[in-house]
Amino acid sequence: GESVGLHLPTLSVQEGDNSIINCAYSNSASDYFIWYKQESGKGPQFIIDIRSNMDKRQGQRVTVLLNKTVKHLSLQIAATQPGDSAVYFCAEANFGNEKLTFGTGTRLTIIP
Amino acid sequence: GAGVSQTPSNKVTEKGKYVELRCDPISGHTALYWYRQSLGQGPEFLIYFQGTGAADDSGLPNDRFFAVRPEGSVSTLKIQRTERGDSAVYLCASSLVRGNEQFFGPGTRLTVL
Repeated sequence: GESVGLHLPTLSVQEGDNSIINCAYSNSASDYFIWYKQESGKGPQFIIDIRSNMDKRQGQRVTVLLNKTVKHLSLQIAATQPGDSAVYFCAEANFGNEKLTFGTGTRLTIIP
Repeated sequence: GAGVSQTPSNKVTEKGKYVELRCDPISGHTALYWYRQSLGQGPEFLIYFQGTGAADDSGLPNDRFFAVRPEGSVSTLKIQRTERGDSAVYLCASSLVRGNEQFFGPGTRLTVL
């Protein structure tokens, strides 16, 4: 897989490879971060979240890394599958404040 | 169980008309949120309900937009005097209690001609 920054909104990865999607957040006061997956014609689907007192959290095939020093968030997807093709959004909030602020998203395409 | 549902799935209207968009949250969820998503963008927060009351409506763009949740379950987003710039997908989400994971519905695609 390959990493991309916000200036490259699309990412193509061979099936089975790992992918990394990056996100820079703007509000240094944000203490809660979430990654969402959105397939065409559907609403965003929760993938994984992380609070600011952590720098890494793992789920099933996914890992989120948080670097508060540079206000950077990344989503790693292991052993990508065709079903992983979607647009991925990071979102930030203050925990307990219900307003989620979403980034512009990265389109991930898995090549069979 | 059933997820968040939104009706209609698509709405086409003419400039100046009034529209209502409906959201049925997951049963038992006390918090309900409305977002708006323009093409190629991430969702933007509009309003949040805790129970029947609007706890935060800071995202509503102007007074043509209004939302209600009279019985603490179903919510309706109302847009008066629609403008072409209102065209977007309107997403609803609910969570069991405030601060928990938000579950999104499929959205209503509004097109103002």
